Order: sequence, then C-alpha cells, then structure tokens
Amino acid sequence: EPEVTQTPSHQVTQMGQEVILRCVPISNHLYFYWYRQILGQKVEFLVSFYNNEISEKSEIFDDQFSVERPDGSNFTLKIRSTKLEDSAMYFCASTPLGVGPEAFFGQGTRLTVV
Amino acid sequence: DQQVKQNSPSLSVQEGRISILNCDYTNSMFDYFLWYKKYPAEGPTFLISISSIKDKNEDGRFTVFLNKSAKHLSLHIVPSQPGDSAVYFCAASAGAGSYQLTFGKGTKLSVIP
Repeated sequence: EPEVTQTPSHQVTQMGQEVILRCVPISNHLYFYWYRQILGQKVEFLVSFYNNEISEKSEIFDDQFSVERPDGSNFTLKIRSTKLEDSAMYFCASTPLGVGPEAFFGQGTRLTVV
Repeated sequence: DQQVKQNSPSLSVQEGRISILNCDYTNSMFDYFLWYKKYPAEGPTFLISISSIKDKNEDGRFTVFLNKSAKHLSLHIVPSQPGDSAVYFCAASAGAGSYQLTFGKGTKLSVIP
C-alpha cells in the first residue's frame, strides 16, 4: 500500500542551526502538508502546498519556516534558525485531488533542538 | 483556543464491548469531520470521515455519528479489539477549498482482553 515516507526519523540539532526535514508524499497525491505535535499537545497544522505554491499556512509558520518541492517526488520543510520550542514531532501528509480533506500521514520526524 | 475538544483523555473498555469516543467543536464553519488513530512513534492513520450533510457514516466496525445542532460527533467501535488500543484524534475541516485540519487533543483508548 502506498505510504508517505519521512526522513530522518530523528534529528538532533543545535539551537540556531538550519534543519531540513524531508518527505516523499504518495505519488498520485497533489496536496501536501506539514503538521507538528509538541510533546503532550495536539497535532497542529503548519502549511499546505498545492500546485507548487503555499495554499494555506498557520500563525506558527512564520518567516523561519519554508517549504519546497525541489523535484517531482520530494517535499521539504526548512527551519532556518531553530529554537528550543521547535522541538516536536513533524508530520508530513498528502491528499489526492477531488476526494476531500482526508490526509495520509507519514511516520514523523522527531526534531530535538538542544 | 480549542475549536475541537475531546474532553476524555482516556477510556478503558473490555474486549468485545462498544467503545464510544466523543468530540465537540465550536467553529460553525467546520463541515467535514475525520477520526484518526495513532500508535506511539507512528503518524496518525485515517479511520473514517463524515460530511456535515450526513449524520452517520459506517465502515466495518467503525461508525461516526454527527449531531450538527449540538456540534458533537462520536466514534463507535463495535466490537472493540485489543488492537484498537491507541490514541484517537478527532479532526475538522472548514471546507470551501480549505483542507487544513484542526485536531483535538486525543483520547487514549485501552481495550482490555
């Protein structure tokens, strides 16, 4: 069964460093998303991406964050200067066109900022 | 600002019995609702959804009920199995081209053999 894959599964980075989280969405899906879950809190929407541009973003997704689809398969989330409070599980998700908002999630990348 | 609320952080049910997980929402713009299941160290897995034009949707052992006037939905699992033990998240979407999901905090279901 097709699935969303994320790499790495765990990333440790120093505060102030740039980090790139990578995702390969399901191949025939057209909407891509990043969500995050801080330990003990709910899953929060960060950004959605369609047709090579951001379609929606939350207040969390400030200038420190960016997304890119550098080729036909990868979808990346970059955090330019990480802060301690960026430590969280980051989930990539994707949705096919014309079905509804049912998003299929990857297994997540645990980001730890020290 | 909790637009989607799951007021029970945990629920324990005997194997074979019914599990009922509840969810309330406050945003009247929500018109599509979803349930996800999550195991530790995995991403959320989509279970079942319901559009606001319906009041019930069924898929095997899982049924979701929607009461729009009460802004309440519930997920029924019958019969409950030990493999159903996980955290269940309610999520909602506001439609009108928005696929952004707003999640509740989750309910941890434990199915006791």
